[in-house]
Amino acid sequence: AQKVTQAQTEISVVEKEDVTLDCVYETRDTTYYLFWYKQPPSGELVFLIRRNSFDEQNEISGRYSWNFQKSTSSFNFTITASQVVDSAVYFCALSVLLDYKLSFGAGTTVTVRA
Amino acid sequence: GAGVSQTPSNKVTEKGKYVELRCDPISGHTALYWYRQSLGQGPEFLIYFQGTGAADDSGLPNDRFFAVRPEGSVSTLKIQRTERGDSAVYLCASSFGLAGVNEQFFGPGTRLTVL
Repeated sequence: AQKVTQAQTEISVVEKEDVTLDCVYETRDTTYYLFWYKQPPSGELVFLIRRNSFDEQNEISGRYSWNFQKSTSSFNFTITASQVVDSAVYFCALSVLLDYKLSFGAGTTVTVRA
Repeated sequence: GAGVSQTPSNKVTEKGKYVELRCDPISGHTALYWYRQSLGQGPEFLIYFQGTGAADDSGLPNDRFFAVRPEGSVSTLKIQRTERGDSAVYLCASSFGLAGVNEQFFGPGTRLTVL
């Protein structure tokens, strides 16, 4: 069984501060996929990023970056120079090859204050 | 292009009633998923379709829940004899290609309230 833990329940920052969201996962599978989704107040889950277990290269995409470390089973996500529009609940999720369902963490609520 | 759509957006019903929730996936997406999200929690898997068949319904909580996808596109989640504990947001998602690999695109959800 897969498990995703997001230890941070809520984070509140002032605009332009960086925000790092923690995600720890558990799986026995060697091939797996990690995702971050954003759920704004409107309620619709929006896909942000995906990494597979074979690629630990960390990347930056605009104001988003992620740090994938298999040694610690972590997949942390950073928003640089946060904006009010970044206020949302962020979910980390995991799927494994041939087991299509996403296992979600409990989510971290990010509030960016102007 | 159009995203995943779900109807109704809100559904209020009384305990014991039957409800149907509809999902219209992104055109061309062969995989369709239903999840349930309770307040303050992440979505939980209910059922997965590949084409017309339910490939995995292990997440359905009990036999009051049933889902169909007769033509491999639109899906309907059916709940019989609703209970107050069924109140939640029901999310539908679809994806293209190999299930579990590609990102799932979610609809806006149906908020079900059982009085």
